[in-house]
Amino acid sequence: KNEVEQSPQNLTAQEGEFITINCSYSVGISALHWLQQHPGGGIVSLFMLSSGKKKHGRLIATINIQEKHSSLHITASHPRDSAVYICAVMGGTSYGKLTFGQGTILTVHP
Amino acid sequence: DAGITQSPRYKITETGRQVTLMCHQTWSHSYMFWYRQDLGHGLRLIYYSAAADITDKGEVPDGYVVSRSKTENFPLTLESATRSQTSVYFCASRAPGANEKLFFGSGTQLSVL
Repeated sequence: KNEVEQSPQNLTAQEGEFITINCSYSVGISALHWLQQHPGGGIVSLFMLSSGKKKHGRLIATINIQEKHSSLHITASHPRDSAVYICAVMGGTSYGKLTFGQGTILTVHP
Repeated sequence: DAGITQSPRYKITETGRQVTLMCHQTWSHSYMFWYRQDLGHGLRLIYYSAAADITDKGEVPDGYVVSRSKTENFPLTLESATRSQTSVYFCASRAPGANEKLFFGSGTQLSVL
């Protein structure tokens, strides 16, 4: 079993829909990152969370440390949101090393 | 320009050749990382560095060598390239501290023929 599990692996939505991507992890962590990777593109850090909730534009990330679970929400999705979304966790004494989920491929159709 | 840059962007080489991928960051971040990204495996850590002259192995270090004589540079060398090292390589950096984001370079697409 992977230490970081994402669901779903693939997600297709129509423009305007509310989207949720889930991330569950099995180890103790000091922080969780959500990353975005566009096709053929680089990787961008969207959020870094250690507790609670963060919001940036149409993106919202939440984390429940007790349940070892995080969610990334996209409100009013747009085709430009089509990308791979990757969850990554950082252990407490790991020199900042991350353990990555396999990623969720999101496709938003107009 | 400020940021983290990788070079080359694309590289084709032959098996057995030595290849060096470059990574440079302008923020003086103490932590730097090399990852490879392959279909079916996601991102895997090759090597990381907590500061100049301090490096350590990640998940998949075999066949790779790193050095970090200066804080801003973290080159990755494939001593004798193999086909299994065909991959996309990402360099990343972050400042110390639990609340610091990770910044990635644009990646190097390496093909070993």
